Amino acid sequence: DGGITQSPKYLFRKEGQNVTLSCEQNLNHDAMYWYRQDPGQGLRLIYYSQIVNDFQKGDIAEGYSVSREKKESFPLTVTSAQKNPTAFYLCASSWQINEKLFFGSGTQLSVL
Amino acid sequence: GQNIDQPTEMTATEGAIVQINCTYQTSGFNGLFWYQQHAGEAPTFLSYNVLDGLEEKGRFSSFLSRSKGYSYLLLKELQMKDSASYLCAVRPNYGQNFVFGPGTRLSVLP
Repeated sequence: DGGITQSPKYLFRKEGQNVTLSCEQNLNHDAMYWYRQDPGQGLRLIYYSQIVNDFQKGDIAEGYSVSREKKESFPLTVTSAQKNPTAFYLCASSWQINEKLFFGSGTQLSVL
Repeated sequence: GQNIDQPTEMTATEGAIVQINCTYQTSGFNGLFWYQQHAGEAPTFLSYNVLDGLEEKGRFSSFLSRSKGYSYLLLKELQMKDSASYLCAVRPNYGQNFVFGPGTRLSVLP
């Protein structure tokens, strides 16, 4: 079955540590996205990529980094510069930029 | 700025009908999407409206009025499994990033 796989489901970060969230899709979609979800707030865009080897900052990119070396993969690194990283992180993809989104099942990141 | 409003929480009874409203103020409009998200899971696509009117898909319908900046999602014959959050998202212009509302958490009671 085609879809988007995020891992891990739960992740804990120690102070000063960088952590990487994995996102893999086998839908052959060109565009991929990372969103952050906090209680009572809408999804906020962190980074997005329209094509391999290209990505753009979203609305809240500070403290995060991404890479897009393969079409299928769009990992997100939460760096130590992100002072409030506790949130639910959702990866998504679409055929082309800002078409209907297909989401992964999310990663809950918490700070120890 | 870009702003989307939805009620935070709603409660309804199994078998009933519920309407979830979404109002938006965005720099442009090129489509409105509704997604369903069960707790701790992936949002899944429900409907897409770009022209005024009602789109019906089984038990779910979505309505759009562009002149009023307003949409609603109508759920009929509610089932327990419909307990979830419902996300409204607007695409201001083609190719522009989506703006998401805060989501409405619906609880269906027996």
